[in-house]
Amino acid sequence: EADIYQTPRYLVIGTGKKITLECSQTMGHDKMYWYQQDPGMELHLIHYSYGVNSTEKGDLSSESTVSRIRTEHFPLTLESARPSHTSQYLCASSENFGFNEQFFGPGTRLTVL
Amino acid sequence: TQLLEQSPQFLSIQEGENLTVYCNSSSVFSSLQWYRQEPGEGPVLLVTVVTGGEVKKLKRLTFQFGDARKDSSLHITAAQPGDTGLYLCAGAGGGTYKYIFGTGTRLKVLA
Repeated sequence: EADIYQTPRYLVIGTGKKITLECSQTMGHDKMYWYQQDPGMELHLIHYSYGVNSTEKGDLSSESTVSRIRTEHFPLTLESARPSHTSQYLCASSENFGFNEQFFGPGTRLTVL
Repeated sequence: TQLLEQSPQFLSIQEGENLTVYCNSSSVFSSLQWYRQEPGEGPVLLVTVVTGGEVKKLKRLTFQFGDARKDSSLHITAAQPGDTGLYLCAGAGGGTYKYIFGTGTRLKVLA
């Protein structure tokens, strides 16, 4: 069982609110990722991190930002939420790139009204 | 831009039937993974293939990596309702430090 956690699981908020989606893992993995996924569709990488104090943007342009101050914690922040941000956000971690399994959290389903 | 195209996009079959899902790209990957995702949950890894031509079996599931490491297939024998879910392939390497996910195949197995 993967030791990667996301909170909240569900979030409904109004336009213009600032939100932070939490992601924590207890496996000591250096590599962490944020994906955006519409229901039943493919995953789009929006941010990834090689380790503490390293973050990179993914393939899908996103207005969100991330930080990696501690190995186990990789929060994602939206300064001003909009309806177009409505989606499922999945956090993942892996021991290394390529050959190692990515462990996914259960996701946060965000709805912006 | 690296792309992984999966086919079919949707598949609805009866219990006991066999099926094959394909994952194709024009890019070479150092490894390819297959995940299964249930509604409201994150994807869970089924298998990783790393060698061109490699075949791996996981009970009723058979995975194959193409000789050129550009494509892969997932074959399910005697499908069961518990196999229902979204199947995703993901390629790694190819000059990047990111996993590229396929477009997904939504499978429904009817009892």
